[in-house]
Amino acid sequence: DGGITQSPKYLFRKEGQNVTLSCEQNLNHDAMYWYRQDPGQGLRLIYYSQIVNDFQKGDIAEGYSVSREKKESFPLTVTSAQKNPTAFYLCASSNSRESAQYFGPGTRLLVL
Amino acid sequence: GNSVTQMEGPVTLSEEAFLTINCTYTATGYPSLFWYVQYPGEGLQLLLKATKADDKGSNKGFEATYRKETTSFHLEKGSVQVSDSAVYFCALTERNQGGKLIFGQGTELSVKP
Repeated sequence: DGGITQSPKYLFRKEGQNVTLSCEQNLNHDAMYWYRQDPGQGLRLIYYSQIVNDFQKGDIAEGYSVSREKKESFPLTVTSAQKNPTAFYLCASSNSRESAQYFGPGTRLLVL
Repeated sequence: GNSVTQMEGPVTLSEEAFLTINCTYTATGYPSLFWYVQYPGEGLQLLLKATKADDKGSNKGFEATYRKETTSFHLEKGSVQVSDSAVYFCALTERNQGGKLIFGQGTELSVKP
């Protein structure tokens, strides 16, 4: 089955620690996206990548970093510079010709 | 800039009632429009889409029509079920914006038996 997988489902971060969230897709999509969702709110774009080895900042990129070394993978690192990281993180991908985005199941990040 | 506005929730309905969730948008070009659904603790699922004016998207009994004259994309369903309880997001994207989705704030729907 084609789809998007995110791991882990839950992640705990200690003060001053960097953590990395995984996102993998086997849909052969060119574009991939990371969103943050806070309780009772809509989604906000963190980073996006339209092609391998290239990515752009979204609306709330500060305190986050990404890489796109393979078409299938778009990991997100939450750095210690992100002072309020507790949120639900969603990864998505799209075929640029269609424009609809398809989402993974999400990772919930909590701070210890 | 581009934006999406949805009716505030929560919306509470009885089973088999008619559903409307209003969505209006502001866009500089010709956006594609989407409805997504999110069940508790899960990611978003694409519910339906429309890519040009007067297109009607439909799926699982839900429908929405792209109305350019009123800049609206209201979601409707003739008879809701308890299993439709979820949060619904309206969104738009424009081709010259790198495929970025702009979301509304979401509308929570609760259907009672």
